Amino acid sequence: DAKTTQPNSMESNEEEPVHLPCNHSTISGTDYIHWYRQLPSQGPEYVIHGLTSNVNNRMASLAIAEDRKSSTLILHRATLRDAAVYYCILRGETSGSRLTFGEGTQLTVNP
Amino acid sequence: GAGVSQTPSNKVTEKGKYVELRCDPISGHTALYWYRQSLGQGPEFLIYFQGTGAADDSGLPNDRFFAVRPEGSVSTLKIQRTERGDSAVYLCASSLNFGAPGELFFGEGSRLTVL
Repeated sequence: DAKTTQPNSMESNEEEPVHLPCNHSTISGTDYIHWYRQLPSQGPEYVIHGLTSNVNNRMASLAIAEDRKSSTLILHRATLRDAAVYYCILRGETSGSRLTFGEGTQLTVNP
Repeated sequence: GAGVSQTPSNKVTEKGKYVELRCDPISGHTALYWYRQSLGQGPEFLIYFQGTGAADDSGLPNDRFFAVRPEGSVSTLKIQRTERGDSAVYLCASSLNFGAPGELFFGEGSRLTVL
């Protein structure tokens, strides 16, 4: 499976934007970039995904580099409920149907 | 509820015992996945089903682990001769279809503790 690299941890202040980076230099042309997050004591939760173009939904925005070797998950106004582990995952022909989770980024949101 | 349901939420057992963990996926979802998560780690893939058949069981750690989905809906993960190292949260997920990009919906997990 193609590998992603994320910082172990990040901190933000409440109501400020948060940019969570992900490097995926070995991404293939058919790999989708997925983001999931996991709140304490819960299962992972889908956040967003994209292929080539930037994507927006009610939870977040996904900015994808032109060469697709990196991406950034953007939370426009962090809340305390956004404190979670955020996972950046590639999913496509090489990974089959499964999601392969790495260590993710632990986001701390300060009041 | 409409989400993925897992039972039991907590299971404590003794080394050497047999354990079954159950997953009720979202109605109509054809794909079902099992993951295992140890403390401080990301979820680790175990197996997934497309319908009744195991499409990929490459993540099962050894032959003590087995999963079934006889009618293409509910799935049971079975662990024989449990060991202390099997202690983890076992997560189940389902998705409407097979393959990328489809969204996976996860349950809250079954926490297994082997004493």
